Amino acid sequence: DAEITQSPRHKITETGRQVTLACHQTWNHNNMFWYRQDLGHGLRLIHYSYGVQDTNKGEVSDGYSVSRSNTEDLPLTLESAASSQTSVYFCASSEQVSGWDTGELFFGEGSRLTVL
Amino acid sequence: AQSVTQLGSHVSVSEGALVLLRCNYSSSVPPYLFWYVQYPNQGLQLLLKYTSAATLVKGINGFEAEFKKSETSFHLTKPSAQMSDAAEYFCAVSDLGSSNTGKLIFGQGTTLQVKP
Repeated sequence: DAEITQSPRHKITETGRQVTLACHQTWNHNNMFWYRQDLGHGLRLIHYSYGVQDTNKGEVSDGYSVSRSNTEDLPLTLESAASSQTSVYFCASSEQVSGWDTGELFFGEGSRLTVL
Repeated sequence: AQSVTQLGSHVSVSEGALVLLRCNYSSSVPPYLFWYVQYPNQGLQLLLKYTSAATLVKGINGFEAEFKKSETSFHLTKPSAQMSDAAEYFCAVSDLGSSNTGKLIFGQGTTLQVKP
């Protein structure tokens, strides 16, 4: 079965360190997204990609970067981790249909990041 | 710009009672609307979606939602709550924008508690 996997599922790091969260999907979807989930804020979009070599900033992109070198992977990098980036991070993908994205997202199980 | 408001961060019902989770949206174009459910320590999964076909949408696990344009609402209901329905529920709208490629904007979430 197709799936979307995230790693690591849990990570503790220190302020100032670089952290990379991996996301791998086998749906063969063009669109991939990174969201963060915080209490009282729901899910907020960090970065997204509509295909290989395409990346775009979302609502809360400061301090984060992504790269898309193939269809399957969209790693999220925190250049210099800050305590405000303690959160649960979700990767998602979706299929683009006839130029219009239906918006139906398929989610990974999340990566819980703690920055001390 | 699109936005979503979920009324009530916590809803508590008794087993067998009606479940009603409220969602209002703001959109300048005909929206695609979604309800997702998140069980503890898991990613989000799609309950149902509205994409301008029938206004009453049926989803998984006995849930349904009705699109009411005049009220800009997309409330989620289930006639009889089960203990297994306890979870967090997110309403989302697709940000179609000018690029015709949507990404989702999520509400803050509603935690549903089901009491025996």
